[in-house]
Amino acid sequence: AQSVTQLDSHVSVSEGTPVLLRCNYSSSYSPSLFWYVQHPNKGLQLLLKYTSAATLVKGINGFEAEFKKSETSFHLTKPSAHMSDAAEYFCVVSGGGELMNRDDKIIFGKGTRLHILP
Amino acid sequence: NAGVTQTPKFRILKIGQSMTLQCTQDMNHNYMYWYRQDPGMGLKLIYYSVGAGITDKGEVPNGYNVSRSTTEDFPLRLELAAPSQTSVYFCASSDDTQATDTEAFFGQGTRLTVV
Repeated sequence: AQSVTQLDSHVSVSEGTPVLLRCNYSSSYSPSLFWYVQHPNKGLQLLLKYTSAATLVKGINGFEAEFKKSETSFHLTKPSAHMSDAAEYFCVVSGGGELMNRDDKIIFGKGTRLHILP
Repeated sequence: NAGVTQTPKFRILKIGQSMTLQCTQDMNHNYMYWYRQDPGMGLKLIYYSVGAGITDKGEVPNGYNVSRSTTEDFPLRLELAAPSQTSVYFCASSDDTQATDTEAFFGQGTRLTVV
């Protein structure tokens, strides 16, 4: 079974400072990992995805994430926060594995709300 | 490019009423999903489908039913609405979770209130 844990429910950073949103996953197979962002009263937008190619993944709006298998982590970072980054961020795990044992579900973490201080 | 379309966007139900949340996608995706989003809980999987005629329970299926008679449509049925089903519901589709570059595409959500 797969699971994903977002270690912080809320993160506050000052504008212009680095952002770190933490995510750990559990999977019996080699999963695909995603980060989605949800702005207030909006739908979900894909930020970036890891699918067993490069371990450092670059996404939209200056975000990137590094897949570390030894730590089962997929933390999201950004060098300099902007006010428009204030939103909820979801780490997501899905897929992977051999055909007979695959897990078809897409599982979400509980989300991290990012607050940007002026 | 419609993508994933959910209707309605908002709905208020009385306890015990029934309704169907509609979801349709025009990307010919085999996989479709229904999630509910409650504050501080992320998205919980209700039901999912890996193709027409096939559905499976997710984490929180009680009180809901689904069907998948076509590739495009994946309606979610609430038979006897309860206040605990007040939530925002998202439908999603993806090509194949085994593929190396797949991602899920989401509808805009349905905000349901049961009073």
